[in-house]
Amino acid sequence: DAGVTQSPTHLIKTRGQQVTLRCSPKSGHDTVSWYQQALGQGPQFIFQYYEEEERQRGNFPDRFSGHQFPNYSSELNVNALLLGDSALYLCASSHRDSTGELFFGEGSRLTVL
Amino acid sequence: AQSVAQPEDQVNVAEGNPLTVKCTYSVSGNPYLFWYVQYPNRGLQFLLKYITGDNLVKGSYGFEAEFNKSQTSFHLKKPSALVSDSALYFCAVREGYRGFQKLVFGTGTRLLVSP
Repeated sequence: DAGVTQSPTHLIKTRGQQVTLRCSPKSGHDTVSWYQQALGQGPQFIFQYYEEEERQRGNFPDRFSGHQFPNYSSELNVNALLLGDSALYLCASSHRDSTGELFFGEGSRLTVL
Repeated sequence: AQSVAQPEDQVNVAEGNPLTVKCTYSVSGNPYLFWYVQYPNRGLQFLLKYITGDNLVKGSYGFEAEFNKSQTSFHLKKPSALVSDSALYFCAVREGYRGFQKLVFGTGTRLLVSP
């Protein structure tokens, strides 16, 4: 049973560019959440997708957007990259009826130069 | 808003000794609390959760956590530490309601177990 898979694992971009990160949830899960983890910090909630709609959003600017596909996979897009966007981006999946436990992928480490 | 605090940036313990990683919470209503572990350059792995019931929760890899309502704490414990337990540990609290929920994480505590 595959867990949560993310791609790419590492990437380097320059300021002003755009990036797309991808996530496939654990089998049987229908909800995908994205978190940003800056160096030395705890993960911060970006947004959550269920039934192809954004259901909740954290305190992140509109430069951060996402999408969920019919197969429950998801993308995170970040436009106009800033140096401060450098972080580990974590995808987490769960089932709509869960009590809150999340299953995380290994993350995509983004470096903005 | 729900929040958790991890007062220690780092905990040092010798292998074979008991370990405790502290977490306190601030919530409205009944807390749903979690512990996750993160190894270098890896994602977060679920260790255990408290939803309701017994105040002592047992989890993966021999870890357990004690829920204390009067002290608003949810400390992570292990009777005998292993060098391989060295990692970053995060306490988290659920915010929202079933189906539309998120986890709010603490700042993390680095556990270093020496041989």
